[in-house]
Amino acid sequence: EDQVTQSPEALRLQEGESSSLNCSYTVSGLRGLFWYRQDPGKGPEFLFTLYSAGEEKEKERLKATLTKKESFLHITAPKPEDSATYLCAVIDGSGNTGKLIFGQGTTLQVKP
Amino acid sequence: KAGVTQTPRYLIKTRGQQVTLSCSPISGHRSVSWYQQTPGQGLQFLFEYFSETQRNKGNFPGRFSGRQFSNSRSEMNVSTLELGDSALYLCASSSGQGAFWYEQYFGPGTRLTVT
Repeated sequence: EDQVTQSPEALRLQEGESSSLNCSYTVSGLRGLFWYRQDPGKGPEFLFTLYSAGEEKEKERLKATLTKKESFLHITAPKPEDSATYLCAVIDGSGNTGKLIFGQGTTLQVKP
Repeated sequence: KAGVTQTPRYLIKTRGQQVTLSCSPISGHRSVSWYQQTPGQGLQFLFEYFSETQRNKGNFPGRFSGRQFSNSRSEMNVSTLELGDSALYLCASSSGQGAFWYEQYFGPGTRLTVT
């Protein structure tokens, strides 16, 4: 069964303290892995898509990487405005479908 | 380009009632997926529509249904509401075909409270 596990569940950082969030996945034939950011009471905001092992993408203080079994979201010198829940998702293994399987998310709090 | 819009943003219903939620995708997107988000279960897939046809359905009871119109707008309906249906209902759109069609962009959601 396709599965996505994110760790840690919650992370508290001081402003400027870099760290990484982990997303482990089990899917039959990875077709794409997505990172989203979600603020309380809002819909997820698209951040990155990664399609193959070794791929990396960056946006401001965020960098996403992908291996054959997991993805990391690296946050460099975070600011309080980076506080949010970060969600990881994969395309359902059966393919040709608009179904994403989500992890439970990592809630990041960055203190000034 | 305007994003995904959902109406209404908030709803309060009573057990046993039914509810209809609406979603307008990004212009040019033909695929619309619906998700339910709760604190305990996270984001769970409900169904996906492409060109007015349901392409996939999640593990939800038949009380949950949807449809898509020729302009790609979509509605979902929940009949005989239960307390456990209280959740944030999210709609996401994607191009539905071609390169990178899997990339889904979410709307703000409809917060449904069942009392």
